[in-house]
Amino acid sequence: GAVVSQHPSRVICKSGTSVKIECRSLDFQATTMFWYRQFPKQSLMLMATSNEGSKATYEQGVEKDKFLINHASLTLSTLTVTSAHPEDSSFYICSARDRRTDPYEQYFGPGTRLTVT
Amino acid sequence: GDSVTQMEGPVTLSEEAFLTINCTYTATGYPSLFWYVQYPGEGLQLLLKATKADDKGSNKGFEATYRKETTSFHLEKGSVQVSDSAVYFCALILPRDDKIIFGKGTRLHILP
Repeated sequence: GAVVSQHPSRVICKSGTSVKIECRSLDFQATTMFWYRQFPKQSLMLMATSNEGSKATYEQGVEKDKFLINHASLTLSTLTVTSAHPEDSSFYICSARDRRTDPYEQYFGPGTRLTVT
Repeated sequence: GDSVTQMEGPVTLSEEAFLTINCTYTATGYPSLFWYVQYPGEGLQLLLKATKADDKGSNKGFEATYRKETTSFHLEKGSVQVSDSAVYFCALILPRDDKIIFGKGTRLHILP
């Protein structure tokens, strides 16, 4: 089956620094990747959608200058949290799909837990 | 707008009990419907899906039937196990859109 990986699985960083999270589709080409944020005991909140080679589309209320998303290839997307603050601490999950082969299904990564101290 | 409503948890059951987690949706158009499961500290895994009315999705003993007339996609399992303890999310995707719309999730605890 389709596998999506995320790296790192956990990261702790100091307030004011930046941290990059990678999302990779391991055995398929992802025409579209999604980034979600999940607060404890809550549902997933879509942050942005990125299509390979295009700029990401951000959801309302998500700061594009703070959460930089790059989808430079069909197998890799990155989320960079710039000038992180404690309120950015959260569980970040990516998903990927290949629109050409399945119009509906998204495959989720295992998530990255970010803690900002 | 388009939305998914699922029963609030937590739901606590004894092992081998029958499980139902209710899910209803509101959508303009004909969505595909999904159940995802999230085990502690992990991402989401697709549990089952149905893409058109009257389809039944099934996996690992779980079942859900796409009921257009009642706009529902209730999750059922005849005999739950401790290993089924997780958070379950009902979700939909509309054909015109890339976005998954999730319900709020239902936390399930199974007691041995």
